[in-house]
Amino acid sequence: NAGVTQTPKFQVLKTGQSMTLQCAQDMNHNSMYWYRQDPGMGLRLIYYSASEGTTDKGEVPNGYNVSRLNKREFSLRLESAAPSQTSVYFCAGQDGFNYGYTFGSGTRLTVV
Amino acid sequence: AQSVTQLGSHVSVSEGALVLLRCNYSSSVPPYLFWYVQYPNQGLQLLLKYTSAATLVKGINGFEAEFKKSETSFHLTKPSAHMSDAAEYFCAVSDRNNDMRFGAGTRLTVKP
Repeated sequence: NAGVTQTPKFQVLKTGQSMTLQCAQDMNHNSMYWYRQDPGMGLRLIYYSASEGTTDKGEVPNGYNVSRLNKREFSLRLESAAPSQTSVYFCAGQDGFNYGYTFGSGTRLTVV
Repeated sequence: AQSVTQLGSHVSVSEGALVLLRCNYSSSVPPYLFWYVQYPNQGLQLLLKYTSAATLVKGINGFEAEFKKSETSFHLTKPSAHMSDAAEYFCAVSDRNNDMRFGAGTRLTVKP
């Protein structure tokens, strides 16, 4: 099925461990985004990529890095996980500023 | 930067009753406005969007929203609630710079 695919769906990390969240889309979106969702706070933008080869910081970038490997793939890396990074992470794609986002199904990350 | 405020973190209605979810926005430029729905353990899905073509926007599942510039509002309504409408709803505002801001969300409960 066409859309935005995130892996893994669930992950438990120990404090200090690293991991990469993967996101791939087959909808030919130019722009891709990483958000985190926390109770009562809505979605907050971590990083985005307006086009292949470019990335920019969002509202809450500290502790994260991203890579726009090609047009399809946009990964999010936690170099040294902290309990404050326990959250649900969503990847999204978009064709232009007047279009809505297509979201993946999310990665639920717990850092203990 | 633009922002949205959703009034009421929880709304409860009876099946068949009117659904009204409130959203007010702040933007220094003509906004693009969106409503998304999130069912449990899923990503967000686009319900409808306002992009200046018409002030009354119809979306999926019988929902609609009206853009009122004088009130800086974009409230979501549905004439008759169904049990399947129980979910969390997010209002979002975007400008032309790939910067979409989400509200904190409103959880809709539908009572039988």
